[in-house]
Amino acid sequence: AQSVTQLDSQVPVFEEAPVELRCNYSSSVSVYLFWYVQYPNQGLQLLLKYLSGSTLVKGINGFEAEFNKSQTSFHLRKPSVHISDTAEYFCAAFNTGFQKLVFGTGTRLLVSP
Amino acid sequence: GAGVSQSPSNKVTEKGKDVELRCDPISGHTALYWYRQSLGQGLEFLIYFQGNSAPDKSGLPSDRFSAERTGGSVSTLTIQRTQQEDSAVYLCASRTRVNEQFFGPGTRLTVL
Repeated sequence: AQSVTQLDSQVPVFEEAPVELRCNYSSSVSVYLFWYVQYPNQGLQLLLKYLSGSTLVKGINGFEAEFNKSQTSFHLRKPSVHISDTAEYFCAAFNTGFQKLVFGTGTRLLVSP
Repeated sequence: GAGVSQSPSNKVTEKGKDVELRCDPISGHTALYWYRQSLGQGLEFLIYFQGNSAPDKSGLPSDRFSAERTGGSVSTLTIQRTQQEDSAVYLCASRTRVNEQFFGPGTRLTVL
């Protein structure tokens, strides 16, 4: 069975500091990997995706993530966060066999001045 | 172009009543998914439609839940005899050919 693990339920950080949100996945088949962001009382917005090719993917709002097959990780990073980045971040893996998106439990990023 | 839309945005109902939640996917997307987001439960897959194939209902939590998709476009999720544990945000997503899912804003269901 496929699973996605986000070990950090909450990450507090100061404005303009760098941040890394961790994501590990397990799958015996090919997966596509995604990061979504959810602002309060809103739906999920796609931040970035890894489908194939370059292992470093860049997304919106200055975020990037690196696919590491040997470590089965897809950590999300931003070199300098803003107050407006405060939100819930979900890592997800799409299993091409089951045609379903499996989500991690989410990481709440709290950016303070 | 327009994104995925859902209605209503909020629904308050009494225990035991039936509710219908609607999803309008992005035009041209052949795959449509329903998820449930509950406090402490994360995002839970409910059901998946792909073209004219039989839907994958493996995530529906009970037989009180059902969904249909008419004409390969609009979908309706129906919950019969609602219970308090059904209170959650119900999210719909439609999917591109490269497996990107685009989500609607959700319907917040509160069962009193």
